[in-house]
Amino acid sequence: GQQLNQSPQSMFIQEGEDVSMNCTSSSIFNTWLWYKQDPGEGPVLLIALYKAGELTSNGRLTAQFGITRKDSFLNISASIPSDVGIYFCAGQTPGGSNYKLTFGKGTLLTVNP
Amino acid sequence: EAGVAQSPRYKIIEKRQSVAFWCNPISGHATLYWYQQILGQGPKLLIQFQNNGVVDDSQLPKDRFSAERLKGVDSTLKIQPAKLEDSAVYLCASSLGLGPANTGELFFGEGSRLTVL
Repeated sequence: GQQLNQSPQSMFIQEGEDVSMNCTSSSIFNTWLWYKQDPGEGPVLLIALYKAGELTSNGRLTAQFGITRKDSFLNISASIPSDVGIYFCAGQTPGGSNYKLTFGKGTLLTVNP
Repeated sequence: EAGVAQSPRYKIIEKRQSVAFWCNPISGHATLYWYQQILGQGPKLLIQFQNNGVVDDSQLPKDRFSAERLKGVDSTLKIQPAKLEDSAVYLCASSLGLGPANTGELFFGEGSRLTVL
């Protein structure tokens, strides 16, 4: 099956610092998505990217869909304590009537106040 | 708008016992998903329904797992008999639909945490 390599696995940063994480795949995706999961909760969508090269922002978050369609990155600027959580990339590819979503293993972000 | 509802939140059973999880998706969402999330990993799709039909169950261990979505709304996921490696959080998600109209935005429930002893 499709594999998503997400890095880094974990990050420990100071409040106010910027953060960057990325995902690479051996397969092409038509859509890249970034989700955040808080402890004891389900993942929540942060940003969706639909076109190669697309750069999208959502507040302090910026994500890009790689030109090759095999990678994406997420940046968080001026981190705050509530940014703590696990960030997942997910790739979606169409196949007939089935639009499959494959998740990466996640990046655990810890923000030190 | 009510979100995706799941129950129970927590379940502890012994191996070889059975367990069932219930999910009520967001009203009007045609597509329902069950994901398995093992500690330290991303969610893995078990089964995907479009209305009450199965779209993808290629990663569902069919010798022990079963799922149904009667009437195209609620869904149940059953494990029988459970194994130690089934310990995980079972996430239910829903989305508006499949195809070009599907933006990829899945709305997840809080999950059901299963511990198999």
